[in-house]
Amino acid sequence: EDQVTQSPEALRLQEGESSSLNCSYTVSGLRGLFWYRQDPGKGPEFLFTLYSAGEEKEKERLKATLTKKESFLHITAPKPEDSATYLCAVQGEYGNKLVFGAGTILRVKS
Amino acid sequence: DTAVSQTPKYLVTQMGNDKSIKCEQNLGHDTMYWYKQDSKKFLKIMFSYNNKELIINETVPNRFSPKSPDKAHLNLHINSLELGDSAVYFCASSQGLSVGYTFGSGTRLTVV
Repeated sequence: EDQVTQSPEALRLQEGESSSLNCSYTVSGLRGLFWYRQDPGKGPEFLFTLYSAGEEKEKERLKATLTKKESFLHITAPKPEDSATYLCAVQGEYGNKLVFGAGTILRVKS
Repeated sequence: DTAVSQTPKYLVTQMGNDKSIKCEQNLGHDTMYWYKQDSKKFLKIMFSYNNKELIINETVPNRFSPKSPDKAHLNLHINSLELGDSAVYFCASSQGLSVGYTFGSGTRLTVV
């Protein structure tokens, strides 16, 4: 069964303090690894899809990387508006569904 | 224009009642989903439809019945509501496999 584990559960940063979120996964034939951002009271917002080990994608202060066992979401010089829950999900070869991790709650203080 | 819209946003109802949640997408996507997010924020797939055909039906009580009248709409009907059904239900859509989903803003269901 496909599984996703995210760490840490919660992370508090000062504005400008760079850090990384981790997503470890086990999946039968990775079709894609997805990162989403979720704000309170809203639905998840798509950030990135990574398809193969070694791939990297960037968007503003966020950079996602992928290995065969885990993905990292690097946040460079975060701002308070980056505060949100970041969700990681995988899609395996046997199903058209995303399996989500529990998320990392990020708080950035000014 | 909202891409994936759900109604209602909030739903408070008594145990034993029957209720429906509606979802519509205007993105032209061919696949729609229902996900449940529990109090621990875990998002879990319930159902998926591709062009009105049910393709994923996870281990969900048969009190939950999805209906897709066309590929732009996916509704969720819940019979005999129980306290444990309280959660946020998200509708989502995608075009093809291995692509990011677009989620709606969710329906917070509270059963009292």
